[in-house]
Amino acid sequence: NAGVMQNPRHLVRRRGQEARLRCSPMKGHSHVYWYRQLPEEGLKFMVYLQKENIIDESGMPKERFSAEFPKEGPSILRIQQVVRGDSAAYFCASSGSVDTGELFFGEGSRLTVL
Amino acid sequence: AQKITQTQPGMFVQEKEAVTLDCTYDTSDPSYGLFWYKQPSSGEMIFLIYQGSYDQQNATEGRYSLNFQKARKSANLVISASQLGDSAMYFCAMREAYNFNKFYFGSGTKLNVKP
Repeated sequence: NAGVMQNPRHLVRRRGQEARLRCSPMKGHSHVYWYRQLPEEGLKFMVYLQKENIIDESGMPKERFSAEFPKEGPSILRIQQVVRGDSAAYFCASSGSVDTGELFFGEGSRLTVL
Repeated sequence: AQKITQTQPGMFVQEKEAVTLDCTYDTSDPSYGLFWYKQPSSGEMIFLIYQGSYDQQNATEGRYSLNFQKARKSANLVISASQLGDSAMYFCAMREAYNFNKFYFGSGTKLNVKP
Protein backbone atom coordinates (compact mmCIF):
# COMPACT_ATOMS: atom_id res chain seq x y z
CA ASN A 1 0.00 0.00 0.00
CA ALA A 2 2.21 2.76 -1.31
CA GLY A 3 2.13 6.15 0.33
CA VAL A 4 2.28 9.51 -1.39
CA MET A 5 5.02 9.36 -4.00
CA GLN A 6 6.91 12.43 -5.08
CA ASN A 7 9.58 12.79 -7.69
CA PRO A 8 12.17 13.92 -8.16
CA ARG A 9 13.42 13.98 -4.57
CA HIS A 10 16.06 16.51 -5.52
CA LEU A 11 16.07 18.89 -8.47
CA VAL A 12 18.68 21.45 -9.44
CA ARG A 13 17.83 24.19 -11.91
CA ARG A 14 19.52 27.31 -13.16
CA ARG A 15 17.73 30.63 -13.02
CA GLY A 16 15.24 30.94 -15.84
CA GLN A 17 14.70 27.22 -16.33
CA GLU A 18 11.49 25.33 -15.61
CA ALA A 19 10.91 22.94 -12.71
CA ARG A 20 8.30 20.19 -12.76
CA LEU A 21 7.47 18.32 -9.59
CA ARG A 22 5.26 15.24 -9.62
CA CYS A 23 3.03 13.74 -6.99
CA SER A 24 1.07 10.51 -7.01
CA PRO A 25 -1.42 10.45 -4.12
CA MET A 26 -2.12 7.43 -1.99
CA LYS A 27 -4.30 4.85 -3.67
CA GLY A 28 -7.93 5.84 -3.40
CA HIS A 29 -7.19 9.46 -2.53
CA SER A 30 -8.64 12.11 -4.79
CA HIS A 31 -7.61 15.22 -2.84
CA VAL A 32 -4.11 16.58 -3.41
CA TYR A 33 -2.39 19.46 -1.67
CA TRP A 34 0.91 21.19 -2.34
CA TYR A 35 2.89 22.90 0.40
CA ARG A 36 6.16 24.79 0.30
CA GLN A 37 8.76 24.82 3.05
CA LEU A 38 11.38 27.52 2.93
CA PRO A 39 14.59 26.90 4.92
CA GLU A 40 14.08 27.09 8.69
CA GLU A 41 10.32 27.58 8.32
CA GLY A 42 7.11 25.58 8.60
CA LEU A 43 5.06 24.43 5.64
CA LYS A 44 2.90 26.96 3.82
CA PHE A 45 -0.19 25.99 1.85
CA MET A 46 -0.02 26.55 -1.90
CA VAL A 47 -2.86 24.80 -3.68
CA TYR A 48 -5.58 22.19 -3.25
CA LEU A 49 -6.75 20.10 -6.19
CA GLN A 50 -9.18 17.34 -6.96
CA LYS A 51 -9.14 15.37 -10.17
CA GLU A 52 -9.12 17.86 -13.07
CA ASN A 53 -10.08 20.75 -10.79
CA ILE A 54 -8.22 23.41 -8.86
CA ILE A 55 -10.27 23.99 -5.74
CA ASP A 56 -8.16 26.53 -3.88
CA GLU A 57 -5.01 28.17 -5.18
CA SER A 58 -4.95 31.04 -2.72
CA GLY A 59 -1.41 30.16 -1.61
CA MET A 60 0.10 30.08 -5.08
CA PRO A 61 2.24 32.97 -6.28
CA LYS A 62 0.35 34.83 -9.00
CA GLU A 63 3.01 34.34 -11.65
CA ARG A 64 5.20 31.48 -12.85
CA PHE A 65 3.53 28.82 -10.67
CA SER A 66 0.83 26.44 -11.86
CA ALA A 67 -0.58 23.12 -10.75
CA GLU A 68 -2.69 20.42 -12.29
CA PHE A 69 -4.16 17.08 -11.37
CA PRO A 70 -5.27 15.39 -14.59
CA LYS A 71 -7.79 12.62 -14.85
CA GLU A 72 -4.95 10.18 -15.49
CA GLY A 73 -1.49 10.48 -14.02
CA PRO A 74 0.14 12.39 -11.20
CA SER A 75 -0.42 15.90 -9.98
CA ILE A 76 2.19 18.31 -11.30
CA LEU A 77 3.49 21.51 -9.78
CA ARG A 78 5.17 23.59 -12.46
CA ILE A 79 7.45 26.54 -11.82
CA GLN A 80 8.47 28.53 -14.85
CA GLN A 81 11.53 30.78 -15.08
CA VAL A 82 12.76 29.78 -11.64
CA VAL A 83 14.53 32.27 -9.41
CA ARG A 84 16.77 31.69 -6.40
CA GLY A 85 13.90 32.44 -4.03
CA ASP A 86 12.06 29.39 -5.36
CA SER A 87 14.65 27.15 -3.67
CA ALA A 88 12.64 25.20 -1.12
CA ALA A 89 11.19 21.84 -0.26
CA TYR A 90 7.86 21.20 -1.95
CA PHE A 91 5.61 18.72 -0.22
CA CYS A 92 2.61 17.00 -1.66
CA ALA A 93 -0.09 15.57 0.57
CA SER A 94 -3.26 13.63 -0.09
CA SER A 95 -6.41 12.72 1.72
CA GLY A 96 -9.35 10.50 0.96
CA SER A 97 -12.00 12.76 2.34
CA VAL A 98 -12.78 16.32 3.09
CA ASP A 99 -12.73 16.74 6.85
CA THR A 100 -10.44 17.71 9.65
CA GLY A 101 -8.46 14.48 9.51
CA GLU A 102 -4.88 13.71 8.73
CA LEU A 103 -3.08 14.58 5.55
CA PHE A 104 -0.59 12.02 4.30
CA PHE A 105 2.60 13.66 3.15
CA GLY A 106 5.11 12.60 0.56
CA GLU A 107 8.82 12.83 1.26
CA GLY A 108 9.11 16.15 -0.51
CA SER A 109 10.96 17.45 -3.53
CA ARG A 110 13.89 19.70 -2.82
CA LEU A 111 14.44 22.33 -5.46
CA THR A 112 17.73 24.17 -5.61
CA VAL A 113 18.04 27.10 -7.99
CA LEU A 114 21.59 28.06 -8.89
CA ALA B 1 -2.95 36.75 13.98
CA GLN B 2 -0.87 33.63 13.69
CA LYS B 3 -2.96 30.51 13.47
CA ILE B 4 -0.32 28.32 15.11
CA THR B 5 2.39 29.56 17.44
CA GLN B 6 5.38 27.56 18.59
CA THR B 7 7.45 29.72 20.90
CA GLN B 8 10.42 27.38 21.37
CA PRO B 9 12.78 27.50 18.39
CA GLY B 10 15.05 24.93 20.06
CA MET B 11 14.95 22.57 23.01
CA PHE B 12 17.42 20.24 24.68
CA VAL B 13 16.47 17.18 26.69
CA GLN B 14 18.47 14.46 28.34
CA GLU B 15 17.98 10.97 27.01
CA LYS B 16 15.26 9.05 28.90
CA GLU B 17 13.68 12.22 30.28
CA ALA B 18 10.31 13.65 29.25
CA VAL B 19 9.97 16.86 27.26
CA THR B 20 7.05 19.16 26.44
CA LEU B 21 6.87 21.09 23.18
CA ASP B 22 4.51 24.04 23.28
CA CYS B 23 1.85 24.92 20.76
CA THR B 24 -0.95 27.46 20.89
CA TYR B 25 -3.53 28.00 18.18
CA ASP B 26 -6.08 30.55 17.12
CA THR B 27 -9.41 29.75 15.53
CA SER B 28 -13.04 30.73 15.74
CA ASP B 29 -14.20 27.48 14.12
CA PRO B 30 -15.72 25.13 16.72
CA SER B 31 -14.60 22.10 14.71
CA TYR B 32 -10.92 21.61 14.03
CA GLY B 33 -8.11 19.11 14.21
CA LEU B 34 -4.70 19.50 15.77
CA PHE B 35 -1.66 17.56 14.63
CA TRP B 36 1.96 17.08 15.42
CA TYR B 37 4.49 16.11 12.78
CA LYS B 38 8.14 15.16 13.15
CA GLN B 39 10.67 16.15 10.51
CA PRO B 40 14.03 14.43 10.90
CA SER B 41 17.12 15.68 9.11
CA SER B 42 16.23 13.49 6.14
CA GLY B 43 13.32 15.87 5.53
CA GLU B 44 10.18 13.76 5.40
CA MET B 45 7.11 14.73 7.42
CA ILE B 46 6.10 12.00 9.85
CA PHE B 47 2.65 12.14 11.42
CA LEU B 48 2.78 11.63 15.19
CA ILE B 49 -0.55 12.37 16.81
CA TYR B 50 -3.98 13.89 16.22
CA GLN B 51 -6.49 15.59 18.49
CA GLY B 52 -10.01 16.51 17.39
CA SER B 53 -11.60 19.56 18.92
CA TYR B 54 -14.51 17.54 20.22
CA ASP B 55 -12.42 14.72 21.65
CA GLN B 56 -12.96 14.42 25.38
CA GLN B 57 -9.74 12.58 26.11
CA ASN B 58 -6.20 13.72 25.40
CA ALA B 59 -4.71 11.79 22.51
CA THR B 60 -1.89 9.33 23.16
CA GLU B 61 0.25 7.33 20.75
CA GLY B 62 2.96 5.29 22.39
CA ARG B 63 5.48 7.70 23.93
CA TYR B 64 3.62 10.71 22.50
CA SER B 65 0.74 12.41 24.22
CA LEU B 66 -1.05 15.62 23.45
CA ASN B 67 -1.91 17.89 26.37
CA PHE B 68 -5.05 19.51 24.96
CA GLN B 69 -6.34 22.51 26.89
CA LYS B 70 -9.20 23.81 24.81
CA ALA B 71 -10.02 26.89 26.86
CA ARG B 72 -6.40 28.00 26.68
CA LYS B 73 -6.15 27.00 23.02
CA SER B 74 -3.05 25.00 23.61
CA ALA B 75 -2.01 21.59 22.28
CA ASN B 76 1.37 20.75 23.74
CA LEU B 77 3.20 17.59 22.72
CA VAL B 78 4.71 15.51 25.48
CA ILE B 79 7.38 12.98 24.60
CA SER B 80 8.14 10.57 27.41
CA ALA B 81 11.41 8.67 27.82
CA SER B 82 13.24 10.62 25.09
CA GLN B 83 15.46 8.68 22.73
CA LEU B 84 18.36 9.87 20.58
CA GLY B 85 16.22 9.19 17.53
CA ASP B 86 13.74 11.80 18.71
CA SER B 87 16.16 14.56 17.70
CA ALA B 88 14.32 16.38 14.92
CA MET B 89 12.12 19.35 14.06
CA TYR B 90 8.60 19.13 15.41
CA PHE B 91 5.71 20.98 13.83
CA CYS B 92 2.30 21.66 15.29
CA ALA B 93 -0.51 22.05 12.75
CA MET B 94 -4.21 22.76 12.63
CA ARG B 95 -6.98 22.09 10.15
CA GLU B 96 -10.37 23.84 10.43
CA ALA B 97 -13.67 22.37 9.32
CA TYR B 98 -14.81 25.45 7.43
CA ASN B 99 -11.44 25.83 5.69
CA PHE B 100 -10.49 22.17 5.53
CA ASN B 101 -8.20 22.46 2.53
CA LYS B 102 -5.55 24.33 4.48
CA PHE B 103 -3.23 22.99 7.10
CA TYR B 104 -1.70 25.76 9.16
CA PHE B 105 1.77 24.95 10.45
CA GLY B 106 3.78 26.52 13.21
CA SER B 107 7.39 27.51 12.69
CA GLY B 108 8.62 24.40 14.46
CA THR B 109 10.74 23.42 17.44
CA LYS B 110 14.12 21.78 16.99
CA LEU B 111 14.57 19.12 19.63
CA ASN B 112 18.00 17.84 20.52
CA VAL B 113 18.24 14.75 22.73
CA LYS B 114 21.53 14.53 24.60
CA PRO B 115 23.07 11.17 25.53
